[in-house]
Amino acid sequence: EIVMTQSPATLSVSPGERATLSCRASQSVGSNLAWYQQRPGQAPRLLLYGASIRATDVPDRFSGTGSGTEFTLTISSLQSEDCAVYYCQQYKKWPPATFGQGTRLEIK
Amino acid sequence: VHLVESGGGVVQPGKSVRLSCEGSGFAFFSFGMHWFRQAPGKGLEWVALIPYDASKEFYADSVRGRFTISRDNSQSMVYLQMNSLGPEDTAVYYCAKDAFKVSQVIDSWGQGTLVTVSS
Repeated sequence: EIVMTQSPATLSVSPGERATLSCRASQSVGSNLAWYQQRPGQAPRLLLYGASIRATDVPDRFSGTGSGTEFTLTISSLQSEDCAVYYCQQYKKWPPATFGQGTRLEIK
Repeated sequence: VHLVESGGGVVQPGKSVRLSCEGSGFAFFSFGMHWFRQAPGKGLEWVALIPYDASKEFYADSVRGRFTISRDNSQSMVYLQMNSLGPEDTAVYYCAKDAFKVSQVIDSWGQGTLVTVSS
């Protein structure tokens, strides 16, 4: 099973600032990496797949980079509605497709 | 795309429960369907997958032998039969649609149904 590790556990960023979230895989997953956003009390929402491809209706302030074992989700100009937990998921080797433990993004 | 789960509630340890999920707004018969779960205050855990044609079933190690996923394409329904439940199965269970047939990328999620295993 591929282990996904996210950092930091919690990130506090001011509105309008940039947020950078990291995800590391225990072995190479190529570009088979997705990011999800889960707002409080809601189901997850797909943001990115293929490490950098935005899902439908995802604002372009969300971007993803990386391949192999190191990945980054960047939110270029933070807005209040971006307050959420963000999960990375590898789908290179499954079952199971594994998630990171999540990064909680707080708005200062 | 709309996914609506039902069947959650309080269940005694060792008992069974069946979750249902109705899909609409997409070609249900063309996509793999998943169940995920999220224990209170915890992260996401994939539970099971059934391909569009129900040709196979895939399970997490934590539920294999206890849970069974099935689907009825004529009714746009997917089910999760959960047996021999324990406190560790307490979670919100999400029905989810695969984005690309059977890729494990999830582009739509239901609102979730809470299963609480408690005496």
